[in-house]
Amino acid sequence: AQTVTQSQPEMSVQEAETVTLSCTYDTSENNYYLFWYKQPPSRQMILVIRQEAYKQQNATENRFSVNFQKAAKSFSLKISDSQLGDTAMYFCAFMTASNYGGSQGNLIFGKGTKLSVKP
Amino acid sequence: DGGITQSPKYLFRKEGQNVTLSCEQNLNHDAMYWYRQDPGQGLRLIYYSQIVNDFQKGDIAEGYSVSREKKESFPLTVTSAQKNPTAFYLCASSMWDSSSYEQYFGPGTRLTVT
Repeated sequence: AQTVTQSQPEMSVQEAETVTLSCTYDTSENNYYLFWYKQPPSRQMILVIRQEAYKQQNATENRFSVNFQKAAKSFSLKISDSQLGDTAMYFCAFMTASNYGGSQGNLIFGKGTKLSVKP
Repeated sequence: DGGITQSPKYLFRKEGQNVTLSCEQNLNHDAMYWYRQDPGQGLRLIYYSQIVNDFQKGDIAEGYSVSREKKESFPLTVTSAQKNPTAFYLCASSMWDSSSYEQYFGPGTRLTVT
């Protein structure tokens, strides 16, 4: 069974600084997807960034980037120039890919990291 | 606007009563999902459906039931058999092909059972 571990229950960062959130996962699959979701106090789950396991290049979305280390089964999220609006729970998630591409069903989530951005 | 709606935002029920949570999407997505979130926990899958009139159990299906009579709708019933029903429930949807796999989430329903 696949598992996702986020070892940092809480983190804080000063506004405008950079922070890195850690995520490790365990799987025997070779083809899968990884995601970071953000859940602000409104509790709406928002997709931040995604990574396909077959791609060696790390995904980036504006101030958000990942460090994907497939052999180490590590998928960390770096937030640059942190903003007050980045304050939220951040969840790392894993999804097995089907043999023809696309999804294989459910997302498997870590327990989350609560990030506080301080002014 | 395309999106996923869940209603109501807050729901209160007495123990022993069944309750149905609504989830509607107008994204023309094939697949729909129900997740449960407890304090300090990530989301856990209850049920999912790839196509109309078909659905599969997730990791924590006991005490829950679903139906998928229309592509747009995937209601979740929390039965009296669910031992700890108080939780935050999130519905999601996605395509079910190689073109797209991201799941998009609704705003959630907070269920409190006393």
